[in-house]
Formats: sequence, structure tokens, C-alpha cells
Amino acid sequence: GQQLNQSPQSMFIQEGEDVSMNCTSSSIFNTWLWYKQEPGEGPVLLIALYKAGELTSNGRLTAQFGITRKDSFLNISASIPSDVGIYFCAGPPNTGNQFYFGTGTSLTVIP
Amino acid sequence: DAGVIQSPRHEVTEMGQEVTLRCKPISGHNSLFWYRQTMMRGLELLIYFNNNVPIDDSGMPEDRFSAKMPNASFSTLKIQPSEPRDSAVYFCASSFGRGPGSPLHFGNGTRLTVT
Repeated sequence: GQQLNQSPQSMFIQEGEDVSMNCTSSSIFNTWLWYKQEPGEGPVLLIALYKAGELTSNGRLTAQFGITRKDSFLNISASIPSDVGIYFCAGPPNTGNQFYFGTGTSLTVIP
Repeated sequence: DAGVIQSPRHEVTEMGQEVTLRCKPISGHNSLFWYRQTMMRGLELLIYFNNNVPIDDSGMPEDRFSAKMPNASFSTLKIQPSEPRDSAVYFCASSFGRGPGSPLHFGNGTRLTVT
């Protein structure tokens, strides 16, 4: 099946630092979605990207749809303790209707 | 706004028993997805419905798993008989729109433990 690889797998950062993570796929995607999952809850949509090169912000979060359409990036500025969670990229490949999820990046923010 | 509602939140059962998980999608959404999440395999799509019709069930592990969507506001995922390796968190998600890029909205999941 489709593979979405996220890196880094985990991050431990100090409060106030900026965070960068990325997601790569083996095929072209038409849509990239970024989700955050907190313990005991389902993933919550953060940002949706629909066009190659698109750069979209949601508060301190900024995500970009890679030009090759095979990758996407998520940045968090000035991290705070409530940013803790697992961040997933997701999307449907160019062919097919399935939604695939990445392997996740676990973020820990140290106060 | 009510989100996707799943029940039960937790289910503990013995191997061999039947398990039924329930989901109420967001009103007006026309696609419904069942996912399974484990540490080893992450989030795996089991099956999805569009307008109550199963579109792709290729992710259903085996015949012990079945899913139904009798109407636009209700879906079930049944495991019979259950096995310890079925232990996982099962998520239901819904979306609006025909296109595959319509964002999914997830419920809080059912944590299943099979002993």
C-alpha cells in the first residue's frame, strides 16, 4: 500500500522553540492534510492544502504543499506546552480514493 | 456542533466473543470511514462508505470483520469472533463531499481489548 513517511519520528523541544516536520510519499498527492492527536482522542484537522506550492497558516502553524506534490511540511512557531501530541500528515494519492496517514511525529514540549 | 460520536469508548471482551462498535457521523456528511490504530501499524483504513454504500473494504483484515451503514446517521463495525490481535483503537470518521480530498473529521475512538 501507500507509504507516507514522516520525520522526525519524535521531537523533544523547549517551550518557545520553533518546530519543523515533514512528510514524504512515494506517489503524487492532490491534497495534503495535517492532523494532531492528543492522548485518548481522535485526530483533529489542523490544516488542509489543495494546490502544489500552497502555503497556509493557522495561528502559529504553517504548512506547505511541496512543489513535487510528493511532500509537505508543517512548522510550529513559538511552541507552548499544549502543542504536545502526535502530528500526522494524510491525504489521498493522485489515483484512488483512499486516505492514507503518515507514521506520525510525536512532539514533547518541555516547559 | 456535535462531532462524530462513537460508542462505547472502551470495550473489554474475551476471545471468541462478538464485538459491535457504533458510530454516528456528523449530520450532513455523506462519507464514513472506519480506521484502526495500533502502535505497530499506525492508522489503517478498514472500510469506507459513500452515501451509505461500501466503496472500498480492501482494508478489512478478514471475514471476521464486517461493517454496515443502514442509514446516513449510523454505522456499525462488527468483529465475530474476536481475537487478542484485534486489540486496538478503532476510529470512525466522516466527511462531506464526493472528492477524495474532503477532510476527515474523527470521533474519539473505541479502545478494544480482547483477552
